[in-house]
Amino acid sequence: EVQLVESGGGLVQPGGSLRLSCAASGFSFSSYEMNWVRQAPGKGLEWVSYIGSSGTTIHYADSMRGRITMSRDNAKNSVYLQMNSLRAEDTAVYYCARAQTSLVVVPGAIRTTGYCDYWGQGTLVTVSS
Amino acid sequence: SYELTQPPSVSVSPGQTARITCSGDALPSQYASWYHQKPGQAPVLLIYKDSERPSGIPERFSGSSSGTTVTLTISGVQAEDEADYYCQSTDTSGDLLWVFGGGTKLTVL
Repeated sequence: EVQLVESGGGLVQPGGSLRLSCAASGFSFSSYEMNWVRQAPGKGLEWVSYIGSSGTTIHYADSMRGRITMSRDNAKNSVYLQMNSLRAEDTAVYYCARAQTSLVVVPGAIRTTGYCDYWGQGTLVTVSS
Repeated sequence: SYELTQPPSVSVSPGQTARITCSGDALPSQYASWYHQKPGQAPVLLIYKDSERPSGIPERFSGSSSGTTVTLTISGVQAEDEADYYCQSTDTSGDLLWVFGGGTKLTVL
C-alpha cells in the first residue's frame, strides 16, 4: 500500500523557517517524481515544487521561489521542503504527492501529462506572531 | 504560467449527471487531470490524461477533452460525490510547472 506521511509543520513567526518531511512507503521511491502542493485555509490547491526521481531536476512555483528548497534522500525514502522567510500568506496545509510525468506522442503532436496519483494527509504550517 | 478556469459551483440532484468544465489555452498540448477533495481529507486522483481512470475509481467518473476545454462528467451522482473538484495540468513553456484550477464545489441537492 502506498503511504505518504508528512511531518514538520507547526507554528512559526513571520520571517522564520521550517523544514517539512515526507516519508514514503509501499512503492519503489527512487523511481518516482514527487511534488509539494499546499492549500491555504478555505482556498484551493496550489502547486509548490517538484523534484525528479534522482533529485537533479527541481522546479518551484513563482510564489515561493527563492525562499524554498526541495530535496530528497532516496536511501531514506523521503522528500523534504526547507522553507525560509515565511510569511503569513504561506499559512496552509502542505501535502506531498507522488507525481508521474511523461511525453505522449499523438498524431501530429507531442503532449505532456503530469499528475499526482497518491497524496499524503498533509501537515499544517501556520505563520503568525 | 497559464491559468485553468473552473466554475465555482455546480449543483445537481441525486441520480442526475454533473458536468464540470475546465478551460485553459494550453490544454490542447497538455493533458489534464481531475481530483476531488472532501472536507478535511487529502485530494484523490479521479482522472488522468484527460480521460484515463485509475483503478478503484468508479466508472461513473469520466473525462473528456475538446480544444481548450476538458470536462469531468459524473453520471448517476450520489450524495457521497459532494466535494470540491479540481482540474490540473502542466506548463512546459519553460520549467515544468504544475497548474491547478480554482476548484468547483459540487453540491448534491
